[in-house]
Formats: sequence, structure tokens, C-alpha cells
Amino acid sequence: DADVTQTPRNRITKTGKRIMLECSQTKGHDRMYWYRQDPGLGLRLIYYSFDVKDINKGEISDGYSVSRQAQAKFSLSLESAIPNQTALYFCATSDFGRGRETQYFGPGTRLLVL
Amino acid sequence: GQQLNQSPQSMFIQEGEDVSMNCTSSSIFNTWLWYKQDPGEGPVLLIALYKAGELTSNGRLTAQFGITRKDSFLNISASIPSDVGIYFCAGLTTSGSARQLTFGSGTQLTVLP
Repeated sequence: DADVTQTPRNRITKTGKRIMLECSQTKGHDRMYWYRQDPGLGLRLIYYSFDVKDINKGEISDGYSVSRQAQAKFSLSLESAIPNQTALYFCATSDFGRGRETQYFGPGTRLLVL
Repeated sequence: GQQLNQSPQSMFIQEGEDVSMNCTSSSIFNTWLWYKQDPGEGPVLLIALYKAGELTSNGRLTAQFGITRKDSFLNISASIPSDVGIYFCAGLTTSGSARQLTFGSGTQLTVLP
């Protein structure tokens, strides 16, 4: 079984619709992240969370919101989707021990906003 | 914001050749990570570097954390067809509880038989 799972893997929606992307992990990590990837670009951070009570904005948080329902679950919402939010979205988790952090990524959700 | 310059953007090499790619920045990083991404998949961690000057190998892959902490390179020796994919560097900075992982734009590697 995959350690980091994302649902759905693909989604088509219309402008103005609210959608939620979900992420679950079995790695037992406290830290979780949401990124988006656009063609020809690296990943950009949307939001991150260090534990259930902690939520932080990333580089491109406008138009997005998140919810950390449990240590293992971190969901990303687009309140009113717009076409330029068409992208590949990745969830990641990280462990942090002895000052070292490594991030592990889920398989991605491909979102198309019409 | 911080930026990473990753080069080359793409490479076409013959099977069996060695490959080198690098990332540079004007910013200092605490950690360098190298990932490989296959089409339709998430990035998979290849090598993590935590100390300036650190040289780490993972099979045919070798990566180094630059002494200035502003750069890193990844070498792949004796390339094989399954090395095809996009390789990303990522630099991590931390300041108190704040942290930021910045990604390079990727190197698309094609291995020709």
C-alpha cells in the first residue's frame, strides 16, 4: 500500500465550483504539505501543517484553503475554482528528526477547471 | 522569493553515458533534496543532503551539497533507459518554525538506446 495517497487522481470541474482534494498518509508524520505543479515549472507550496492545530500559508495560498482533520489527513479546498487553478496537485509529508527533514510525495491529483 | 536555477533544462544522452545536472541559488539552504518524477506520478526522493560539502551516493547516483550551501549537483553514471524522467532539485531553508522548500524547474532526461 502507498504511504501517501491522494483522492481523486483526476478531476474535471467548472469555474465557480467548490472542490476538495484529499490526502491521507500512513507514515505517521506530523508534517503535511500541499503543492501545485504547472507544466515546465517546479512545485510551488500552497499550504503546510506541522500538526493538527497548525496551518501555515505557503507561497501561493490565495484561492485555496486547507483542513487538517487528523494527523493522517490533510485536505485542500478550492472555494470557487478558476481556470488558472488547472494544475497537478501534490500532497507531501515529512519527518523531522535530529534537525533533518525529508519530504515524501503522493501520486498527485490532476485538476482541470473549465 | 528564493529561486533555484536548475540546468540543463533537458538532456539527450546515449545509454551508458554519465549525466550531470546542477542547481544554483543566491540563497543559502540547510538541506538539498534531489527527486525524480515519472509521467503521471509524484516526485520520488533520490538523495537527501544535510551538510555543506556532503557527498552522498545511492547506487549509480551521486550528489553533493556545495560548500557555499548555495548549490548542489547530481551525477548519474552509466545511464540506462529507466533513468528517463524529470529530475528536480529542492532546497530547504528553515528559520525558527518557518520553513520553505524551493524547487528547481527540473531537468528532463532522455536516454537513447
